[in-house]
Amino acid sequence: DTGVSQNPRHKITKRGQNVTFRCDPISEHNRLYWYRQTLGQGPEFLTYFQNEAQLEKSRLLSDRFSAERPKGSFSTLEIQRTEQGDSAMYLCASSFDSRGTGSGYTFGSGTRLTVV
Amino acid sequence: GNSVTQMEGPVTLSEEAFLTINCTYTATGYPSLFWYVQYPGEGLQLLLKATKADDKGSNKGFEATYRKETTSFHLEKGSVQVSDSAVYFCALTLNTGGFKTIFGAGTRLFVKA
Repeated sequence: DTGVSQNPRHKITKRGQNVTFRCDPISEHNRLYWYRQTLGQGPEFLTYFQNEAQLEKSRLLSDRFSAERPKGSFSTLEIQRTEQGDSAMYLCASSFDSRGTGSGYTFGSGTRLTVV
Repeated sequence: GNSVTQMEGPVTLSEEAFLTINCTYTATGYPSLFWYVQYPGEGLQLLLKATKADDKGSNKGFEATYRKETTSFHLEKGSVQVSDSAVYFCALTLNTGGFKTIFGAGTRLFVKA
């Protein structure tokens, strides 16, 4: 297993366009998370999946954002009608957690989005 | 609410100096605590963790002890190297529901030769 893979690494788009990012987690992990990180800040939680079910969404995730994880494998994060404020690093992470433990995340390298 | 506060950087040290990066947290219940590190040009990596009070996490010469009475998880290393230059993030994971993790803002460390 090569870890968590994210594509593309960089994306430059014009304001108003739609973008989609992909994350391939570690296959044995049952949970997948999306975070957003801006310069000088720590990652902020966006949403997470357990297998194919999206179980929590942050208030940061406006109606323009949607995430899917078909068949509990890879995940996609789509941003519609992008705005300059969407410019950030989008991080995907996966973990295997059973009840009552926190094993920590394995992060991908991220997708850096620039909206011009 | 749940939050993590860590000391502001940057922290600049000479090689072989002692390192402390302070981290305090606020949480409902009993979270697990973590330190993640982000080296230049790389993604975040798990550095160490502690899952209950008085546990000590350690890795690569770094240590941190889960102090429930002071709600702290300070990162320490006895002798830093230039290769330790990175951004360090303190984080807590709520051990309920989805194991969501909340991160501090990060502390940048520069180590001079």
